[in-house]
Amino acid sequence: DIVMTQSPDSLAVSLGERATINCKSSQSLLYSSNNKYSLAWYQQKPGHPPRLLIYWASARESGVPDRFSGSGSGTDFTLTISSLQAEDVAVYYCHEYVGSSTFGQGTRVELK
Amino acid sequence: EVQLVESGGGLVQPGGSLRLSCAASGFTFSTYWMHWVRQVPGKGLVWVGHINTDGSTTRYADSVRGRYTFSRDNAKNTLYLQIDSLRAEDTAVYYCGRNAAGWIDKWGQGALVTVSS
Repeated sequence: DIVMTQSPDSLAVSLGERATINCKSSQSLLYSSNNKYSLAWYQQKPGHPPRLLIYWASARESGVPDRFSGSGSGTDFTLTISSLQAEDVAVYYCHEYVGSSTFGQGTRVELK
Repeated sequence: EVQLVESGGGLVQPGGSLRLSCAASGFTFSTYWMHWVRQVPGKGLVWVGHINTDGSTTRYADSVRGRYTFSRDNAKNTLYLQIDSLRAEDTAVYYCGRNAAGWIDKWGQGALVTVSS
C-alpha cells in the first residue's frame, strides 16, 4: 500500500502570511491514463466533515478561494495557502487515489 | 443540492453488530461509486473502502476486511455499512462520501459509533 506522509504535523502562521503543507507518497501518484497525479487535498474544521479543496494535484474545486493552490509531481506535493485568513484554521489532509486510497496523517494550521 | 446524511450510529456493545445508512439526495445516486471513511475522534482520516454503482464490486481496507460489508439500494438512494463483531477499535465517526474520479467530492456529516460495554 502507498504511504502518505505530511509535513509538518502542525504550523502556526500569521494572518496574511503564506502557509505551506507538504505531502510525500511512497510511490509515484502518476495516473498513466491521463498523465495527471492522483492527489487530492481536503480541509477539515472541528466538528465538520472534510471539504474537498484540490484534486489531480492542482485542480481547484469549484467555490474554493484562489488563495488555495496545489502543486507537485511524482511523489512530492504541496498545498499552499497564499495569504492565511482566520477561517483557514483547520486540519488539512492529502489523499492519494491511484492506489487503494490513503490519507496523510493531517497537518494542523493555527494562527500565530 | 447534494446531500449525504448518515444515520444508525450509537453505543454498541463489543461483539455486537450495527448497520449505518447514508441517504443520498440531490444527484443521481445510482451513477456514482461511494466511499466510506472513518475517523477516531481527535485523529486522522482512514479510508475504509468503496462500492461501485450497482453494488457488485467492493473494496475494503485491509484493517476491516471480513467484518465490514458495504451494500446499496439504488431504488432508495441509500448506502449501507454493516459492521459485525464490533470491537473497541471500531469506535469512530463514519463518513460516507461520493466518489468523483477517485477523490471524494461530497461528504456526509458523519455518524459516531461507540463500542463499549
